[in-house]
Amino acid sequence: GDSVTQMEGPVTLSEEAFLTINCTYTATGYPSLFWYVQYPGEGLQLLLKATKADDKGSNKGFEATYRKETTSFHLEKGSVQVSDSAVYFCALSEVQSNTGKLIFGQGTTLQVKP
Amino acid sequence: EAGVTQSPTHLIKTRGQQVTLRCSPISGHTSVYWYQQALGLGLQFLLWYDEGEERNRGNFPPRFSGRQFPNYSSELNVNALELEDSALYLCASSLSGFEQFFGPGTRLTVL
Repeated sequence: GDSVTQMEGPVTLSEEAFLTINCTYTATGYPSLFWYVQYPGEGLQLLLKATKADDKGSNKGFEATYRKETTSFHLEKGSVQVSDSAVYFCALSEVQSNTGKLIFGQGTTLQVKP
Repeated sequence: EAGVTQSPTHLIKTRGQQVTLRCSPISGHTSVYWYQQALGLGLQFLLWYDEGEERNRGNFPPRFSGRQFPNYSSELNVNALELEDSALYLCASSLSGFEQFFGPGTRLTVL
């Protein structure tokens, strides 16, 4: 079945450092891809999305490009802030099979130190 | 615009009891999804309701059930609670079936 794999965490960075969180997927067909962020004690917030190959999603300084050839959707940010400390989830949507569900990676914890 | 709301925020139950969680979707959204986020197990899909009908369910036992009302709000019921049901239960809503928007969750503790 479809699956999402994220890099192991936690990731610890200093403020203003460059962030990359790797995400790769396995899917039949052409899924839509998402990054969600979960701040402590809260639900998930949609951070960005992409629906087809070579699409770039971006929001709040975060970016991710849908790479079909490498089945990847890595999250990047040029300069992280302490307020970016959270758990980040990569997810895919089985649009073509219409199951309704999102399949999530295991989540990557980011800690940014001042 | 109000987001997805869930109630209650926290809940403590004992083994064998039954619990009902509630979710109100974003206005205009017709689909509601339920997910379980248990420690060490990640986010698992539970149920999908659309236009009042159950469209899909994840790999959970039948004691997990729910329904969607005519106003598109939804309930998740869990019978015969077990310790491993302790988790954060997240509800999401969607208009198009593409983007899902999540609520803050209900934290269930089973003692």
